[in-house]
Amino acid sequence: EVQLVESGGGLVKPGGSLRLSCTGSGFIFGNALMSWVRQAPGKGLEWVGRIKSKTEGGTADYAAPVEGRFTISRDDSQNTLYLQMDSLKTDDTAVYYCVRYFAYWGQGTLVTVSS
Amino acid sequence: DIQMTQSPSSLSASIGDRVTITCRASQNIIDNLNWYQQKPGKAPDLLIFGTSTLQSGVPSRFSGSGSGTDFTLTITNLQLEDFATYYCQQSFNTWTFGQGTKVEIK
Repeated sequence: EVQLVESGGGLVKPGGSLRLSCTGSGFIFGNALMSWVRQAPGKGLEWVGRIKSKTEGGTADYAAPVEGRFTISRDDSQNTLYLQMDSLKTDDTAVYYCVRYFAYWGQGTLVTVSS
Repeated sequence: DIQMTQSPSSLSASIGDRVTITCRASQNIIDNLNWYQQKPGKAPDLLIFGTSTLQSGVPSRFSGSGSGTDFTLTITNLQLEDFATYYCQQSFNTWTFGQGTKVEIK
């Protein structure tokens, strides 16, 4: 059974940093294209970014609102995906989901950016 | 960037009704269109991928159609468990989601 478990969310002040983790199981993590999607309170879904598998180059792409502030990385030896979030803004407040392909989503972790 | 315009933003329907939600892409995405259902406090569930392929376990009352820029999600014989918010998503070039359609009980 495929499982994705996010962690690392919490309250952070504007301008601060936070690193989210997503641990996967039940599939070959190293072969997977992994994505982050967020959802602000009461709002719709917003793609944050993705990282390809090492065999496909291991490169990451980002949505315009987070480009230059967020960094996606992966540790395939630990079956873990990361989202490093720097220079956080109040608009970054959201539940952050990690996603494998389209069908497999974690339960989400809440990030609140507030002073 | 590809923009996705979903309509309506909300609708009211009764159990047994047929419901149609549309999604328009700002450019040709061929058939790279997926649909999700989301219930409050839960992660989205994939319903349909590749425009019309039902995800395993999804009831056959859900169907998808379209190509190019215009796509449709249809729910026939609406059931109580179908009251939720639905999102389209293009996967032709990275991902973009539609704004969502909330299906409420009339």
